[in-house]
Amino acid sequence: ETGVTQTPRHLVMGMTNKKSLKCEQHLGHNAMYWYKQSAKKPLELMFVYNFKEQTENNSVPSRFSPECPNSSHLFLHLHTLQPEDSALYLCASSQESMRGRVDTEAFFGQGTRLTVV
Amino acid sequence: AQSVAQPEDQVNVAEGNPLTVKCTYSVSGNPYLFWYVQYPNRGLQFLLKYITGDNLVKGSYGFEAEFNKSQTSFHLKKPSALVSDSALYFCAVRALSGTYKYIFGTGTRLKVLA
Repeated sequence: ETGVTQTPRHLVMGMTNKKSLKCEQHLGHNAMYWYKQSAKKPLELMFVYNFKEQTENNSVPSRFSPECPNSSHLFLHLHTLQPEDSALYLCASSQESMRGRVDTEAFFGQGTRLTVV
Repeated sequence: AQSVAQPEDQVNVAEGNPLTVKCTYSVSGNPYLFWYVQYPNRGLQFLLKYITGDNLVKGSYGFEAEFNKSQTSFHLKKPSALVSDSALYFCAVRALSGTYKYIFGTGTRLKVLA
């Protein structure tokens, strides 16, 4: 719908599992983001990639590992998560000019609902 | 610090009445401001943005927002609310802090009563 596709939509994993969330954008954008949305908490920015380079790591625990192999794909690798990591994980993309001018708004995927048991 | 505040956790309004969802911001430099809406178990959908120009910005689904620089506010408005407008609304600012990123408010739940 928005040009940003996230898979899977729902994921249940044990604390010892390893899984990955995938995000793909078809908009030709050069910046991608991971956000975490927990109940009754504000949207938390986790990671920012600009031109495939990680430019922001917002004090995220190492059990979350992002990967951006190209400007269209973004992954979030998960391992040894805790129950408090259960949340809606949202991916977004935007087009950022080199001079910081806003070319467009951020577009969001539908999110992955993660439950850690 | 650059931030966005949405002072109301929930706003209730009767169908057909005007609605306002409040947002204030704190940002260095020119503010780039956005409103998004979220329906249950869905991602955020873009409603409107202020980059430059007219202080009154019109967006999707009949929503509009007024940028007020002196009050550092960007309130979302609609002249006549619909039950289908019931959702979670987020105000956001695009900020430069190390890198460009979108900072969101805590969200305001809008409930339109039939």
